[in-house]
Amino acid sequence: EAGVVQSPRYKIIEKKQPVAFWCNPISGHNTLYWYRQNLGQGPELLIRYENEEAVDDSQLPKDRFSAERLKGVDSTLKIQPAELGDSAVYLCASSLRRTSGSLSEQFFGPGTRLTVL
Amino acid sequence: AQKVTQAQTEISVVEKEDVTLDCVYETRDTTYYLFWYKQPPSGELVFLIRRNSFDEQNEISGRYSWNFQKSTSSFNFTITASQVVDSAVYFCALSETNYGGSQGNLIFGKGTKLSVKP
Repeated sequence: EAGVVQSPRYKIIEKKQPVAFWCNPISGHNTLYWYRQNLGQGPELLIRYENEEAVDDSQLPKDRFSAERLKGVDSTLKIQPAELGDSAVYLCASSLRRTSGSLSEQFFGPGTRLTVL
Repeated sequence: AQKVTQAQTEISVVEKEDVTLDCVYETRDTTYYLFWYKQPPSGELVFLIRRNSFDEQNEISGRYSWNFQKSTSSFNFTITASQVVDSAVYFCALSETNYGGSQGNLIFGKGTKLSVKP
């Protein structure tokens, strides 16, 4: 079974440019997460989706970050315009919300390493 | 507030040594979950274990074992007879429960970088 797929793996842009990251979760996983991981730190949640609904976006800097998951499957995270401080690894994860309401563990993709010059 | 502390930033051992990675957590919830993830140089976080707060029984899986002690708010991870392939960054994480009783968002520690030398 394929894992969480992310693209691109690496992206280098100049500040003030826009950038987008794409994530395809594990088939059947209805919960999707975007995390940001700064160098030497643990991942920090940006946004969580249950199907197509963003149920927790409290940590998403909404002035420049946006995300969508239109059909409840794959998702796109966008930054516009990018700033130097946005350089980080952006991780996508997915999990299965069972009919009982419990959540499976989160499975992570390989991440996109963003460098803003 | 929730918090996870991994005081060991880096650990270096020689192959076949045992090594313990420490994790201390803070939470006000009585029901919560604890996790360990491994992040090899490839960057992908690999799930290792999840425990809920009501299950303090220690767990062993091959060379890996976990010691959960609510009295000290710790969830330590031991690798026995370490191997070079164990070299990675290891993250401890905490999740409280939502109103529905289901698992909430993950709060990660800063990670411990383990280097196992031949």
